[in-house]
Amino acid sequence: EVQLVESGGGLVQPGGSLRLSCAASGFTFSTYWMHWVRQAPGKGLVWVSRINSDGSSTSYADSVKGRFTISRDNAKNTVFLQMNSLRAEDTAVYYCATDKDPGIADNLAYWGQGTLVTVSS
Amino acid sequence: DIQMTQSPSSLSASVGDRVIITCRASHTIGRNLNWYQQKPGKAPKLLICAASSLQGGVPSRFSGSVSGTDFTLTISSLQPEDFATYYCQHSYSAPWTFGQGTKVEIK
Repeated sequence: EVQLVESGGGLVQPGGSLRLSCAASGFTFSTYWMHWVRQAPGKGLVWVSRINSDGSSTSYADSVKGRFTISRDNAKNTVFLQMNSLRAEDTAVYYCATDKDPGIADNLAYWGQGTLVTVSS
Repeated sequence: DIQMTQSPSSLSASVGDRVIITCRASHTIGRNLNWYQQKPGKAPKLLICAASSLQGGVPSRFSGSVSGTDFTLTISSLQPEDFATYYCQHSYSAPWTFGQGTKVEIK
């Protein structure tokens, strides 16, 4: 069974940093693209970032480009989201997610339960 | 970036009603469009990928179609468990974008 478990969320001051982790199990992690999606309280879904299976290719939403960095450790079946220069508008539940099939970036078939990031003074 | 315009933003319907939700892409995206269902406090669930391919375990009352850059999610006979928020999302190229969401409420 595919499992994605996020951690690392919490309260951080504006301008601060936070590193989210997503531990994966139940599938061959090293062959799947991984994604981060966020949802501000009461708002819609926003795709944040993705990374390919070997970590050589990354993409970001314009709203986080230059501030967030996605990475992965295939030996530990974990994907990370390093978030710097945080703003109030980054407050959201952050989900990690992955595709239905290996080797492609096409959909978000599997999701974690999410971790809440609150940016406030 | 490709924008997804989803409508309506909300609707009220009764059990047994036929419900149609649409998404329009700002550029051609082929069939690279997915639909998700989200219930309060839960992660989204993939319903349909590649515009019309029903995910395993999803009831057949859900269907998807495409005409050019217009995509449609149809629920043929609304059931009590279908009251939720629905999102479209394109996967044509990065950055991916979601539609604004459609909240389906009980009439």
